Amino acid sequence: NAGVTQTPKFQVLKTGQSMTLQCAQDMNHNSMYWYRQDPGMGLRLIYYSASEGTTDKGEVPNGYNVSRLNKREFSLRLESAAPSQTSVYFCASSRQGLDDQPQHFGDGTRLSIL
Amino acid sequence: AQKITQTQPGMFVQEKEAVTLDCTYDTSDQSYGLFWYKQPSSGEMIFLIYQGSYDEQNATEGRYSLNFQKARKSANLVISASQLGDSAMYFCAMREDLDAGKSTFGDGTTLTVKP
Repeated sequence: NAGVTQTPKFQVLKTGQSMTLQCAQDMNHNSMYWYRQDPGMGLRLIYYSASEGTTDKGEVPNGYNVSRLNKREFSLRLESAAPSQTSVYFCASSRQGLDDQPQHFGDGTRLSIL
Repeated sequence: AQKITQTQPGMFVQEKEAVTLDCTYDTSDQSYGLFWYKQPSSGEMIFLIYQGSYDEQNATEGRYSLNFQKARKSANLVISASQLGDSAMYFCAMREDLDAGKSTFGDGTTLTVKP
């Protein structure tokens, strides 16, 4: 009953450091997403992957890279972290197509960059 | 222009009363879906209710209902008989992209239920 699993749950980085946020889903979903949520704000799409082997930029892709490793896993990489990237990061997955299936979210990664 | 607008940053409601959270959207697509999610203080995102653009009936799910007015491009969430556990942030989201399934989220409304 795992759903969407994100690791780590918390991370503190120094400016300029790099790190990769991991995400895995066990619902056989084709589509996966990375969002960031700044305090008191909604979710903004960073990158998404409509299917294995494809990735596309979302609304705020600068400073990030992604890898769709296989159908289950979608990772987000910060190559050179900046304080402006301090945020809560959510991974989500969903079925393709316009239907009533919502996005399923992980519990989030709280990332602080000093 | 924002695709999803939630004009109420914060709302208060008395326990056991009903409350309406507003959501307007902007799209030129004929086919789209509208979702509401709840985010408690613990941070997880919980799906509440869905409305498809071609659905003629307003969606209902337990105490949640969606007041869908397509011509006005509004999809307001109605919570009946509010409970203390309903205190949370609520997000309206729209899915336009059929293939990718990606959604655009509003900035949310913080609902506080008073005892």
